[in-house]
Amino acid sequence: KQEVTQIPAALSVPEGENLVLNCSFTDSAIYNLQWFRQDPGKGLTSLLLIQSSQREQTSGRLNASLDKSSGRSTLYIAASQPGDSATYLCAGAINDYKLSFGAGTTVTVRA
Amino acid sequence: SQTIHQWPATLVQPVGSPLSLECTVEGTSNPNLYWYRQAAGRGLQLLFYSVGIGQISSEVPQNLSASRPQDRQFILSSKKLLLSDSGFYLCAWSENNEQFFGPGTRLTVL
Repeated sequence: KQEVTQIPAALSVPEGENLVLNCSFTDSAIYNLQWFRQDPGKGLTSLLLIQSSQREQTSGRLNASLDKSSGRSTLYIAASQPGDSATYLCAGAINDYKLSFGAGTTVTVRA
Repeated sequence: SQTIHQWPATLVQPVGSPLSLECTVEGTSNPNLYWYRQAAGRGLQLLFYSVGIGQISSEVPQNLSASRPQDRQFILSSKKLLLSDSGFYLCAWSENNEQFFGPGTRLTVL
């Protein structure tokens, strides 16, 4: 069973600071890892997908890394903006259909 | 492009009443489909997934059932709702192992 942990549960930073969000997982035989964003009362928006053969993925100001040996993934958001305020969830897949989700990190970017 | 719809957006139901939540996907064929529940203060829990019409797998024993009558339609049902069924229900589909979520249905059971 894949267990996913996200610490801290909440984070507050001033605008312009870089964000570092952590995700750890227990099973190194991870199929892939996906990062999502969730705004209050809304569904999840997929941000980045890292396949097990990859070490990182980048999209604009977002960069996610995957280290299977240590059981960790990190999401970096450069030059944070108030619009980045949301809950960020990571999810590890153990096969091609089942994701195990972390509880999320709620980010507040102060203007 | 692909889009996913869920309705209703919000629902308030009395204990013991039936439930039917619908999810449809556009712009893709034969997708894997999923139902998740997000309870307050908890992570997302996978309830059901489907790899094709009429093929449903249940992840946890519960008061709910799912059906897939058409390729791009996924329905979550209950014959009698419990208070513990309250939560935020999310439908998702996947392509190339990446999952995409719908807007969700907020269900409150009173």
